[in-house]
Amino acid sequence: GENVEQHPSTLSVQEGDSAVIKCTYSDSASNYFPWYKQELGKGPQLIIDIRSNVGEKKDQRIAVTLNKTAKHFSLHITETQPEDSAVYFCAASQGYKLSFGAGTTVTVRA
Amino acid sequence: NAGVTQTPKFQVLKTGQSMTLQCAQDMNHNSMYWYRQDPGMGLRLIYYSASEGTTDKGEVPNGYNVSRLNKREFSLRLESAAPSQTSVYFCASSGPTGDHQPQHFGDGTRLSIL
Repeated sequence: GENVEQHPSTLSVQEGDSAVIKCTYSDSASNYFPWYKQELGKGPQLIIDIRSNVGEKKDQRIAVTLNKTAKHFSLHITETQPEDSAVYFCAASQGYKLSFGAGTTVTVRA
Repeated sequence: NAGVTQTPKFQVLKTGQSMTLQCAQDMNHNSMYWYRQDPGMGLRLIYYSASEGTTDKGEVPNGYNVSRLNKREFSLRLESAAPSQTSVYFCASSGPTGDHQPQHFGDGTRLSIL
């Protein structure tokens, strides 16, 4: 089955700086890559996703890049704010099944 | 707009007891999913239902059963709870049709088994 590895497990950044989270996947057939944000006591919420026919996607301060050849994808958050503090999960799928990374706890220091 | 609703939010069981976790969505989604979340392991798929009337095993189905009651509801049953099933359980849905649709999650059921 698909194996998704996510790094780093924790990330502390100064407010206003950028944060980068990286994921690798094992199955070259995977073709959909969503990113989720989870706040304490809540379920994961989709923040951005990318399909395998696209190399980069942006939504305001958030961007995702995909390198299919190397089988890795990354989340970039620019101009971080305190409300960006949360746990972030990457995932990869083919068909209906999503395989998740272990998560990155992001802390934005004021 | 409620989205995905899970009940109960918290539950404590004794080993060997049975329990059904309920999930309902009001987004007219065809597909529904059950995950468990354990520290340091992300979310792992237990079972999913691609459409009403179908269910399939995910990554960690042992010890669980599911029922897709209708298009809105998808329940997860623990027949004989074990301490290893202590976890946070999330239900999700996606649609309206096909795969590669964003999954929408409920806020979880926190289950402790003593």
